Amino acid sequence: QKEVEQNSGPLSVPEGAIASLNCTYSDRGSQSFFWYRQYSGKSPELIMFIYSNGDKEDGRFTAQLNKASQYVSLLIRDSQPSDSATYLCAVNIYNQGGKLIFGQGTELSVKP
Amino acid sequence: GAVVSQHPSWVICKSGTSVKIECRSLDFQATTMFWYRQFPKQSLMLMATSNEGSKATYEQGVEKDKFLINHASLTLSTLTVTSAHPEDSSFYICSARDLTSGETQYFGPGTRLLVL
Repeated sequence: QKEVEQNSGPLSVPEGAIASLNCTYSDRGSQSFFWYRQYSGKSPELIMFIYSNGDKEDGRFTAQLNKASQYVSLLIRDSQPSDSATYLCAVNIYNQGGKLIFGQGTELSVKP
Repeated sequence: GAVVSQHPSWVICKSGTSVKIECRSLDFQATTMFWYRQFPKQSLMLMATSNEGSKATYEQGVEKDKFLINHASLTLSTLTVTSAHPEDSSFYICSARDLTSGETQYFGPGTRLLVL
């Protein structure tokens, strides 16, 4: 079982809809969770991070964490074509020297 | 927000030459930086962890004598690809860990290496 799993997609949503991106992780020692966005040909950029169970909102983005279920998600409200990118879920595991374990990424396509 | 730069952004070199890539944290100190490589349509692959003032830690399968890492200051890490070959052509990306923001890693813009 991979340590961090995401559906590779592509996930296609119409403009204005809510895009829901999911990520599961296997190590219960995971402490912090990150969502990055990577446009084709570019490096990843941080969208947001979350440490505590529950929801964390930042503009159109909401991260949700459920440690009991080992599940973290990212919701994008009012999706725009400019949100079309690959979204990477990353997990920081305790005592791993700060390394992030990345999922394989979910490709999101927002259709006008 | 935290900014990480990389230089150069593009490099084309002949087979057998060495290439140095710089990674700088511009507005924070980074005791730890990370080097990744990404081939087209593939995931990020962590190559090594660079710690200021100590030897880098390489991931399994990454040749430490081929990919030399130096982290001489709290804002600069360098990756040198020695005796580069066409199969080393890739997108090299560094990240720096900002301990003041919950150990978040911020990525540089990446360096595209093409070895002819």
